[in-house]
Amino acid sequence: GESVGLHLPTLSVQEGDNSIINCAYSNSASDYFIWYKQESGKGPQFIIDIRSNMDKRQGQRVTVLLNKTVKHLSLQIAATQPGDSAVYFCAETFEGGAQKLVFGQGTRLTINP
Amino acid sequence: GAVVSQHPSWVICKSGTSVKIECRSLDFQATTMFWYRQFPKQSLMLMATSNEGSKATYEQGVEKDKFLINHASLTLSTLTVTSAHPEDSSFYICSAATGYEQYFGPGTRLTVT
Repeated sequence: GESVGLHLPTLSVQEGDNSIINCAYSNSASDYFIWYKQESGKGPQFIIDIRSNMDKRQGQRVTVLLNKTVKHLSLQIAATQPGDSAVYFCAETFEGGAQKLVFGQGTRLTINP
Repeated sequence: GAVVSQHPSWVICKSGTSVKIECRSLDFQATTMFWYRQFPKQSLMLMATSNEGSKATYEQGVEKDKFLINHASLTLSTLTVTSAHPEDSSFYICSAATGYEQYFGPGTRLTVT
């Protein structure tokens, strides 16, 4: 649907702590999910992805969890660093969806020193 | 690898004029490119899907006569904002797809005065 939010959800964490960013996706037919990081004035940067036949995937300092029952996706960032400050978006797509991505509203992560 | 560039990175134009934005995949061929628009503090909204050698497919509510898209080669797509008005001021982002994966450009900031 059309995004009408004027204020991004925000999450503030202390440097070194772990962060968990949540996302509710909309289409039960979606079978591929991606987390992107977007810094101010830049395009989205791929972080990690997961397919619907998995419920967890780990990368370097990041973990994505997928709960298809409640259509929920989360991104865990371990030992956050100042460079992790950005807006994080989840995106979903499905086979047969013409490769279109549907983006979530985003969460602004702020790392406090 | 998988680098996508956009040109220009920012542009200021007068109301009523047209502006062309280029999107290039630098080290791979992309049969499909996408154009997104992002307003401040909002998520990315898909405008259109661009396939090489064919007409673009526009999302509902996007005026195809105002946002002209050309995908002349496997590495280049262009978006022309015709008769731009202040409400067209936004951050325009392209992506190039290979299979499920999309690689995003750095974005173009358009300001219409």
